[in-house]
Amino acid sequence: NAGVTQTPKFQVLKTGQSMTLQCAQDMNHEYMSWYRQDPGMGLRLIHYSVGAGITDQGEVPNGYNVSRSTTEDFPLRLLSAAPSQTSVYFCASSRQYYTEAFFGQGTRLTVV
Amino acid sequence: AQTVTQSQPEMSVQEAETVTLSCTYDTSESNYYLFWYKQPPSRQMILVIRQEAYKQQNATENRFSVNFQKAAKSFSLKISDSQLGDTAMYFCAFMKVYNNNDMRFGAGTRLTVKP
Repeated sequence: NAGVTQTPKFQVLKTGQSMTLQCAQDMNHEYMSWYRQDPGMGLRLIHYSVGAGITDQGEVPNGYNVSRSTTEDFPLRLLSAAPSQTSVYFCASSRQYYTEAFFGQGTRLTVV
Repeated sequence: AQTVTQSQPEMSVQEAETVTLSCTYDTSESNYYLFWYKQPPSRQMILVIRQEAYKQQNATENRFSVNFQKAAKSFSLKISDSQLGDTAMYFCAFMKVYNNNDMRFGAGTRLTVKP
C-alpha cells in the first residue's frame, strides 16, 4: 500500500539548473497538490490539480510548472533553480477536496 | 485571503498530562473546514483531526479533541494523556468549501512530550 510516493528524497542543485520532482499516488485520487515548507511559515500551496489535464496556481507558483497527464502522476518542474527555492517540498492527494489529504514523505531541495 | 495563526512556536508537556495547542484564523466565509496535522521527525504529515464549520459539535479522535469557537475564529487542539509518540510539529490548517484543495497552514507548534 504505497499511498503517495515522492522522488527523490534529497536533492542539491546549482543555481540555474532545472529538475523535476516526481509524485505518484496509487489511490485513484482526483485531487493532487504541491506544497513547500519553509521554517516558521508552515506549508504553502504551489500548484494543484483537480483531475487529469486540469491544473491551477496556488499561493506561491512563481518559478514552478506542473502538468497532470494521468490521474496517478503530478510532477513539479523547477525551470531555473534559485536559492530562494531551497525548501522541503510535499506532494499531497485526496479523494475529494475536503477530505483527508495524504502526503508524501517530502523532498528536501537545496539550491546552491 | 485566509490566514492561520499559531501563537505558540514551542510547547512541552509531561507524559500522561494534557496539553492544548492554540490556533486562530481569519476568514469572511461562513462554511469551511479546519484540520490539525501532525509532523513527527520522520517528516510525514499525518491528519490528526478534522472539523466542519457548520457542525456545532467538537470533533474528537481518541485522545485528541478540539475546541471549535466559530464566533471567535478559534480552533484549539487538546491532547489528553500525552505520550512520547506525540512529540511532533503540529499544524493547524484552514480550507474554504469548494476551493479545490487549497489548504492554508499555520506556522506550526513544536510539541515535546517529556518522560
